[in-house]
Amino acid sequence: AQSVTQPDIHITVSEGASLELRCNYSYGATPYLFWYVQSPGQGLQLLLKYFSGDTLVQGIKGFEAEFKRSQSSFNLRKPSVHWSDAAEYFCAVGGTSYGKLTFGQGTILTVHP
Amino acid sequence: NAGVTQTPKFQVLKTGQSMTLQCAQDMNHEYMSWYRQDPGMGLRLIHYSVGAGITDQGEVPNGYNVSRSTTEDFPLRLLSAAPSQTSVYFCASSYSRTYNEQFFGPGTRLTVL
Repeated sequence: AQSVTQPDIHITVSEGASLELRCNYSYGATPYLFWYVQSPGQGLQLLLKYFSGDTLVQGIKGFEAEFKRSQSSFNLRKPSVHWSDAAEYFCAVGGTSYGKLTFGQGTILTVHP
Repeated sequence: NAGVTQTPKFQVLKTGQSMTLQCAQDMNHEYMSWYRQDPGMGLRLIHYSVGAGITDQGEVPNGYNVSRSTTEDFPLRLLSAAPSQTSVYFCASSYSRTYNEQFFGPGTRLTVL
């Protein structure tokens, strides 16, 4: 069965500091991997996705993520965090069959001025 | 385009009552899903549809019914509400089987007393 683990429930960083959110997945074949962001009271917005090819993928809002097959990881990074990045972030894994997307538990990001 | 819309935004039910959560999209997407979001559990798939007239169960389908008579609409029915169904419900749609992007609605916050 596929699964996603986000080890950090809550992360606090200062504005301007770098950020890395961890994501580990379990999947029997080549995974499709996603990062979504959810602002309070809002739906989810796609930040970036990995299907194949270059293992470093760029997304919106200055985010990037690196797929590491050997570590079953897909960590999200940003070099300099802005106060507007405060939100909850979800990692997800899926395959070629629609309806099989599995989300992690989420990581809440707090940004201090 | 309005994207994915959900009504109502908030709802309080008593145990045993029934109701329908509405979801509509105006992007002509074939694929639509319902998720529930609970603290610390991420999003879990309830039901999904790969086209009008075709639906299937997700991870947590018990207590919920769906139908898809048109491409645009995908209502979720609670037959006899239970306190365990207190949650935030999200509808999502996609134009691709392989999740090129899922577009999420703003959510419905449901409380069952």
